[in-house]
Amino acid sequence: NAGVMQNPRHLVRRRGQEARLRCSPMKGHSHVYWYRQLPEEGLKFMVYLQKENIIDESGMPKERFSAEFPKEGPSILRIQQVVRGDSAAYFCASSPGRRNTGELFFGEGSRLTVL
Amino acid sequence: DAKTTQPNSMESNEEEPVHLPCNHSTISGTDYIHWYRQLPSQGPEYVIHGLTSNVNNRMASLAIAEDRKSSTLILHRATLRDAAVYYCLDNGGGADGLTFGKGTHLIIQP
Repeated sequence: NAGVMQNPRHLVRRRGQEARLRCSPMKGHSHVYWYRQLPEEGLKFMVYLQKENIIDESGMPKERFSAEFPKEGPSILRIQQVVRGDSAAYFCASSPGRRNTGELFFGEGSRLTVL
Repeated sequence: DAKTTQPNSMESNEEEPVHLPCNHSTISGTDYIHWYRQLPSQGPEYVIHGLTSNVNNRMASLAIAEDRKSSTLILHRATLRDAAVYYCLDNGGGADGLTFGKGTHLIIQP
């Protein structure tokens, strides 16, 4: 049973370009969470999605960031017009149900570098 | 922001037990206590979670204070592979996203 798969593992973008990060949850999991980790910092929650629905986006920046989890295919975190401050590791996690009492399974992360 | 408090770092010797403390004084009655760890350049890994009773699994034990305002993660016999940042989390005030603080950087000496 494959774990949470994220790609790309490393992404380099110039300022103003777009970054798309993909996350395939574990088989049978329909809940996906995105986190961002700045260098030497802890993880910050960004968004929680179920298939075709955004459940909680309280951690998402108001502009340039969006996330989706379509009926078919991986979840996508999209960052438009990237700036240097977007350089970070972005982690995706999945769970079979709502997270409050259970375990989250994390991917290896996507490391975005903005030049 | 994280509502839990942990020491920034701890050091232990290989093959000795390690007790990692965490204060969660604002935890509500229905919030679970979760522990995750993050090895260098990897995603966080679930360790253990509990509500009121002490919990044991193959990785660790979780001792929860009677008033639930603190807990201790116990690694019974630390190995070099246990060197990681350990995060203690509560439900973050009911939000669906777990709130991670800076955690405790555990250093294991051979």
